[in-house]
Amino acid sequence: GAGVSQSPSNKVTEKGKDVELRCDPISGHTALYWYRQRLGQGLEFLIYFQGNSAPDKSGLPSDRFSAERTGESVSTLTIQRTQQEDSAVYLCASSLEHLGNTIYFGEGSWLTVV
Amino acid sequence: KNQVEQSPQSLIILEGKNCTLQCNYTVSPFSNLRWYKQDTGRGPVSLTIMTFSENTKSNGRYTATLDADTKQSSLHITASQLSDSASYICVVTLFSGGYNKLIFGAGTRLAVHP
Repeated sequence: GAGVSQSPSNKVTEKGKDVELRCDPISGHTALYWYRQRLGQGLEFLIYFQGNSAPDKSGLPSDRFSAERTGESVSTLTIQRTQQEDSAVYLCASSLEHLGNTIYFGEGSWLTVV
Repeated sequence: KNQVEQSPQSLIILEGKNCTLQCNYTVSPFSNLRWYKQDTGRGPVSLTIMTFSENTKSNGRYTATLDADTKQSSLHITASQLSDSASYICVVTLFSGGYNKLIFGAGTRLAVHP
């Protein structure tokens, strides 16, 4: 596709439910990032996938958060037993492998836990 | 500790005026520095990328400077327009443990008034 695509764009869920957020990176991009941004706050790193290497999961805030990526394509971020503090926009980004390449962001998935 | 600090936190200017946003970082080892523009409710969009050997880079009315010795960068906006109202985020990349790590600043919120 032309850009990084994320779905759903908006999700309202009840506390305790599980949610899945999807990211379709730009075709050919081997690097994929997930970030969380709470309202009015900066971006928090969650996880980074680079090709077939083991992902950098150092930013995942708890074991309720997990992410997978199928090869160099779609990634899914899963939040189990959602809490109200999980309410945020979850941004996905992708780039070519080279360090200096532009990183393109999706429009985000807005999650509200009620 | 790897940190990126931006100033001012927020800024209001009149349309047509110039402004300069600051970014100081303590990230090491440094790979590159990026400036992003994030409109409210949207994903960040890349403005510039600079490696340590680049002192300045322009993108239209946006000009970024980098002083790798003092670890400071600035983003200068010339002849501001109402559409420049957004958050401007400074992001420093380091390469550590085989991974690219993006260290985000908290951003400067710019409001351009008519």
